[in-house]
Amino acid sequence: EAGVAQSPRYKIIEKRQSVAFWCNPISGHATLYWYQQILGQGPKLLIQFQNNGVVDDSQLPKDRFSAERLKGVDSTLKIQPAKLEDSAVYLCASSPSLAGSPLHFGNGTRLTVT
Amino acid sequence: AQRVTQPEKLLSVFKGAPVELKCNYSYSGSPELFWYVQYSRQRLQLLLRHISRESIKGFTADLNKGETSFHLKKPFAQEEDSAMYYCALKGGGSNYKLTFGKGTLLTVNP
Repeated sequence: EAGVAQSPRYKIIEKRQSVAFWCNPISGHATLYWYQQILGQGPKLLIQFQNNGVVDDSQLPKDRFSAERLKGVDSTLKIQPAKLEDSAVYLCASSPSLAGSPLHFGNGTRLTVT
Repeated sequence: AQRVTQPEKLLSVFKGAPVELKCNYSYSGSPELFWYVQYSRQRLQLLLRHISRESIKGFTADLNKGETSFHLKKPFAQEEDSAMYYCALKGGGSNYKLTFGKGTLLTVNP
């Protein structure tokens, strides 16, 4: 099966600019996750979707981060405006259902904010 | 709240030596525990999960509810085991949130 696709692989922006990441989950996977992984740390959940509804966004900095999954398939994560501390790898993952395991991860987008 | 602690950031062993990567967790209910691995230049992938009770690539992990631990073990390390290892906990409730530890970088020397 095709894996989770993410783009772009790398992005460099200046602080206060905007950026968007795209994720295409595995076909048929209802649950989609966005994780932030700062260098030297484990992945931190930003937002979790079940189909096109948000299940958990408790750790999403909503003043600058937004995410959507309008048709319950692809998803975009946006940062506006970016800060230096947003430099990280942004990982997208999907799973068949909320309780279904395991998560399948994409390659991630490495964001550098200068 | 759910929390996963991996006390060692780095672990270095020689080929053929036993290896144990430690993981402790905090969760009030019955968790589901996982080990994920990330080899160099590859994506994060599942290594094993406690409910499967299986051995993958020679690795095993036993859930110890009394000690709230889920340590990963392998009796004889191989150079290809060198990677970043993350312990993760999936809680229940309404969202089945998956929380990761900070990871342990395992280096197996020849």
